[in-house]
Amino acid sequence: AQSVTQPDIHITVSEGASLELRCNYSYGATPYLFWYVQSPGQGLQLLLKYFSGDTLVQGIKGFEAEFKRSQSSFNLRKPSVHWSDAAEYFCAVVRGRGGSYIPTFGRGTSLIVHP
Amino acid sequence: DAGITQSPRHKVTETGTPVTLRCHQTENHRYMYWYRQDPGHGLRLIHYSYGVKDTDKGEVSDGYSVSRSKTEDFLLTLESATSSQTSVYFCAISGTERNTEAFFGQGTRLTVV
Repeated sequence: AQSVTQPDIHITVSEGASLELRCNYSYGATPYLFWYVQSPGQGLQLLLKYFSGDTLVQGIKGFEAEFKRSQSSFNLRKPSVHWSDAAEYFCAVVRGRGGSYIPTFGRGTSLIVHP
Repeated sequence: DAGITQSPRHKVTETGTPVTLRCHQTENHRYMYWYRQDPGHGLRLIHYSYGVKDTDKGEVSDGYSVSRSKTEDFLLTLESATSSQTSVYFCAISGTERNTEAFFGQGTRLTVV
């Protein structure tokens, strides 16, 4: 079975500090990995994705993520957090099922930013 | 923004009543999904569709049914609502390639009293 684990339910950082949100996946083949952000009362928005090539991918809003096959991880990072980054972050993997592609999500990490 | 509209955006209903949530897309995407979001559980897949009249169950499908009679519309029905179905429901769409992202609607907050 394929799954996504986000071990941190909440992360608190100060504005201007660096950020790393963890994501681990279990999947036998090459994973298709995504990070989404959800602001309060909104749907999810794509931050970045990885499926091949350079293992360090850049996304919107200054975020980046690094794919590490040896660690089965796809951690999200940002060098300097802004107060507007406070949101819920979801890691996802797309799995194949009978010819269909199904996005499977982790439980999310809530980011709290202190001034 | 991707053209996805969920209706209604908010609904309060009584236990035992049927409820239908609608997802409408203008992107002509093949795949459509219904998720529910609950604290501590993230997003869990209820049902999905891979074409007109082609649907399949997700991990939390009990008590839910779906229909897709047109490419643009995907309906989620709670045949007899229960309090455990109080949740925020999200519709999502995606294209045919595995590396394409999912686009989400704004969500429907359903309260079953």
